[in-house]
Amino acid sequence: AQSVSQHNHHVILSEAASLELGCNYSYGGTVNLFWYVQYPGQHLQLLLKYFSGDPLVKGIKGFEAEFIKSKFSFNLRKPSVQWSDTAEYFCAVNAENYGQNFVFGPGTRLSVLP
Amino acid sequence: DGGITQSPKYLFRKEGQNVTLSCEQNLNHDAMYWYRQDPGQGLRLIYYSQIVNDFQKGDIAEGYSVSREKKESFPLTVTSAQKNPTAFYLCASTRTGAGANVLTFGAGSRLTVL
Repeated sequence: AQSVSQHNHHVILSEAASLELGCNYSYGGTVNLFWYVQYPGQHLQLLLKYFSGDPLVKGIKGFEAEFIKSKFSFNLRKPSVQWSDTAEYFCAVNAENYGQNFVFGPGTRLSVLP
Repeated sequence: DGGITQSPKYLFRKEGQNVTLSCEQNLNHDAMYWYRQDPGQGLRLIYYSQIVNDFQKGDIAEGYSVSREKKESFPLTVTSAQKNPTAFYLCASTRTGAGANVLTFGAGSRLTVL
């Protein structure tokens, strides 16, 4: 079965610090990868996605993620965080041979101090 | 605007009572999903449906039931058999077919069992 792990449960940063959130998955086949964000009191929304092609993908609000197939990883990065990035971040995987099932990681809560 | 509507937003239930959570989408998506979100556990799949009148159990289906009589609607019933029903429930949908797909989420329903 697929599984997704996220390295940190809670990350606390000051504004302007750089961010990297780790995500690893267990499935060995072709995968589609996602990062979703949940701002306080808001819907889960898509931050960025990787389907194929360039392993470095850019998303909204200055976020990017790099797919490293050999490491089964899809880490999320942002060079300089803002207070408004305070949210919970979820990594998700959809394996093409696993039908329409999307598996989510446990989430990482990011707190950015002003 | 197209989207997913979940109701009610907040729901309180006494032990032993069944409760039904509504999920309606006007995105013309074929596949619909129910996830349960608990702190530190991410999103766990309860049920999903790829087509009308068909649905599959997810990882934590015990104590839940669903129906898919219309493409737009995928209600979830939390039965008295669910041992720990207090949680945040998220409905999602996506198109199916060729190509990779992205989940769109509703705002969620928070169920509290008293």
